[in-house]
Amino acid sequence: QKEVEQNSGPLSVPEGAIASLNCTYSDRGSQSFFWYRQYSGKSPELIMSIYSNGDKEDGRFTAQLNKASQYVSLLIRDSQPSDSATYLCAVSQAGTALIFGKGTTLSVSS
Amino acid sequence: GAVVSQHPSWVICKSGTSVKIECRSLDFQATTMFWYRQFPKQSLMLMATSNEGSKATYEQGVEKDKFLINHASLTLSTLTVTSAHPEDSSFYICSAYQGAGSNQPQHFGDGTRLSIL
Repeated sequence: QKEVEQNSGPLSVPEGAIASLNCTYSDRGSQSFFWYRQYSGKSPELIMSIYSNGDKEDGRFTAQLNKASQYVSLLIRDSQPSDSATYLCAVSQAGTALIFGKGTTLSVSS
Repeated sequence: GAVVSQHPSWVICKSGTSVKIECRSLDFQATTMFWYRQFPKQSLMLMATSNEGSKATYEQGVEKDKFLINHASLTLSTLTVTSAHPEDSSFYICSAYQGAGSNQPQHFGDGTRLSIL
């Protein structure tokens, strides 16, 4: 059974702080790793994709991948109240369906 | 950029009704589309993989006779919930890869909220 594990939270951070979200996965054959943001009642929105070990930065977001540890993380710098949402970690092999974690709820207080 | 359109966005209907949900790739061809279901406060669960011109592949526990999938063209997949009951009420979301095989993110439709009375 391929699994993706996330801490469900809620993770609460003050505005301007760094939010750190973590994810582990069981399938060593996974090749593609994604972070999606989902607001209540809405469809997931792609935040970051990462395919190789190391860090990938895009604006306030940094994704980190460690395939040896089967670990993916997302850092959100200068957190804003608008970042309050559920963050879904998803993994896949190339071209196959995504396997989602249960999501971490982030709450950024102003 | 790539856009996946899903219709309708909301459906409310009586128990026993069949409901069809459409998923279209608007500016790219999608040989494979995926259908997910999300219950409140839970994550997205893959229901089936829809393959253009062939039968869909269903995940374990998903009744293929109840959730009919048709992928008749490279831009359209449909999910029909037959004889829907209140327990089928959920948020249904489709997705598609723009490319094949390579590392590409999936593009999601806006979802369909289905409420069966």
